Amino acid sequence: ETGVTQSPTHLIKTRGQQVTLRCSSQSGHNTVSWYQQALGQGPQFIFQYYREEENGRGNFPPRFSGLQFPNYSSELNVNALELDDSALYLCASSSGGRGPGELFFGEGSRLTVL
Amino acid sequence: GQQLNQSPQSMFIQEGEDVSMNCTSSSIFNTWLWYKQDPGEGPVLLIALYKAGELTSNGRLTAQFGITRKDSFLNISASIPSDVGIYFCAGARNNAGNMLTFGGGTRLMVKP
Repeated sequence: ETGVTQSPTHLIKTRGQQVTLRCSSQSGHNTVSWYQQALGQGPQFIFQYYREEENGRGNFPPRFSGLQFPNYSSELNVNALELDDSALYLCASSSGGRGPGELFFGEGSRLTVL
Repeated sequence: GQQLNQSPQSMFIQEGEDVSMNCTSSSIFNTWLWYKQDPGEGPVLLIALYKAGELTSNGRLTAQFGITRKDSFLNISASIPSDVGIYFCAGARNNAGNMLTFGGGTRLMVKP
């Protein structure tokens, strides 16, 4: 059974560029959620995908968008990058058999915006 | 910003000591969870609490879901060096799926 894997692990972009981050969920998990963790802070919920549709969103602007594929893997896209988007982006997967909030996190993609 | 107030922000203790940290909120949560994050890793679930007043243990860890549903604490007994890391509380509401609200974290350092 493989865990949650994310790519890339590190990347550097400049302000105004676009970025795509990828996540493969844990085997058998059909729900993927994305979190942004700024340095020294707790993670903040961005959005969640279930059955290829977004079914929950935190307080993030529309330039943060996502996709979920039939194999439950997911992408997070951020357009028009801003300096404040520099953070660790965490993907987490879960399944219906688990309790609410019982998430399995990947190691994250660390984004630096210059 | 964070809606959960977690304290203390950091702790530096001697190996073998017991540790206590807590989390408070101005609003009610239906589920409280405690996660631990090691450097370069994602958070790992330690304990999940689903009922007000519930007291749950996982090895040397004990956590409680406050009666008011606005707070939770985590205790670690007989700390060891591998307990080092950042501990986060998180709350979830009914029908909110996995939309967790995290605290700011408690950084635990253990001196051998």
